[in-house]
Amino acid sequence: QKEVEQNSGPLSVPEGAIASLNCTYSDRGSQSFFWYRQYSGKSPELIMFIYSNGDKEDGRFTAQLNKASQYVSLLIRDSQPSDSATYLCASDTGRRALTFGSGTRLQVQP
Amino acid sequence: DVKVTQSSRYLVKRTGEKVFLECVQDMDHENMFWYRQDPGLGLRLIYFSYDVKMKEKGDIPEGYSVSREKKERFSLILESASTNQTSMYLCASSTRGGGQETQYFGPGTRLLVL
Repeated sequence: QKEVEQNSGPLSVPEGAIASLNCTYSDRGSQSFFWYRQYSGKSPELIMFIYSNGDKEDGRFTAQLNKASQYVSLLIRDSQPSDSATYLCASDTGRRALTFGSGTRLQVQP
Repeated sequence: DVKVTQSSRYLVKRTGEKVFLECVQDMDHENMFWYRQDPGLGLRLIYFSYDVKMKEKGDIPEGYSVSREKKERFSLILESASTNQTSMYLCASSTRGGGQETQYFGPGTRLLVL
């Protein structure tokens, strides 16, 4: 079992809709969780991180963490075609290096 | 802004060659990392370093070595390149923190081993 699991997608949503990206993790020692966006042929760039149970909002993005269920999600409101990318979930288990999921490809249809 | 640079964007090498991939960061970060990224497998950690001359194996260190002689520079070495090392290689750096260590990535090196 992979430590961080994501559905590979593609997840297709119409422009203006809410995109919901999900991630589960197996290591209960995971402390922080990160969402990265990666455009095709580019390197990952950080969107946001979360370490407390509940929601964290930053502009159109909301990260949600539920440690009891070992579940992290990223909501993108008012999705735009420019949001089309692969979204990587990562966990920090305290060993300094992050463990990444395989990513979910999001397609926002104009 | 954090800047992480990698020596080459694209590299073509022959089987058996020794390959050096260089990474430099300009933010005085303690931690540096090398990942490879393959379709369907995501990012996999090869090696990381948390201080000069210190290194730790990641999940897939076989066939690779690293060098960190200066804080800002972290090199990945393929001692004898093989075709299964064809991949995208990503370097990252982060500062030492309390479990919220954001990693910043370089642009990547796409390596093709023939």
